[in-house]
Amino acid sequence: GDSVIQMQGQVTLSENDFLFINCTYSTTGYPTLFWYVQYSGEGPQLLLQVTTANNKGSSRGFEATYDKGTTSFHLQKTSVQEIDSAVYYCAMRDNTNTGKLTFGDGTVLTVKP
Amino acid sequence: GGIITQTPKFLIGQEGQKLTLKCQQNFNHDTMYWYRQDSGKGLRLIYYSITENDLQKGDLSEGYDASREKKSSFSLTVTSAQKNEMAVFLCASSIAGAPAEQFFGPGTRLTVL
Repeated sequence: GDSVIQMQGQVTLSENDFLFINCTYSTTGYPTLFWYVQYSGEGPQLLLQVTTANNKGSSRGFEATYDKGTTSFHLQKTSVQEIDSAVYYCAMRDNTNTGKLTFGDGTVLTVKP
Repeated sequence: GGIITQTPKFLIGQEGQKLTLKCQQNFNHDTMYWYRQDSGKGLRLIYYSITENDLQKGDLSEGYDASREKKSSFSLTVTSAQKNEMAVFLCASSIAGAPAEQFFGPGTRLTVL
């Protein structure tokens, strides 16, 4: 079945550090891939999405490249700030009209000042 | 813009009790979803409704019922609350069709005594 794997449950960095969160997916066909961010006390919100293989998505300094070869969609940011502290979810959607998303387990990012 | 409202924000019930969570959206979206969010885990789909008169089971529907009363509202019922289903329940909505972004509400936190 479909699955999304985020191996890092927690990441702790200092301000201006480089961020890398690993995400791999398993499905048939060519899904749309997402990163959602969830701040404390709020629901998740879309950070970025990519629908086409080998394309890159970017938003607010975050980037992720849809790598069909390695079935990966890792999230990166060159220089994190304290306000980036949140939970980050990688997600995948098939191309049917149901709109169903499959989520990874999430990565809790803590950025220390 | 729009907003998703979930009521109540906190729900406390007794084991075996029937409990109802409500969700309203003013995006005029066709599709609505209920997810369960357990600590340290990703979001898992309970029920979804593609259009106003539709209802579909997700991966975690056992022990839950749902009702799409009208286009703007979608309710979730926990048929017999159990201690092991204490979690945050998130409602989301989107326009129909891939690859539409899902917008999330702030969640209802369920505690079972």
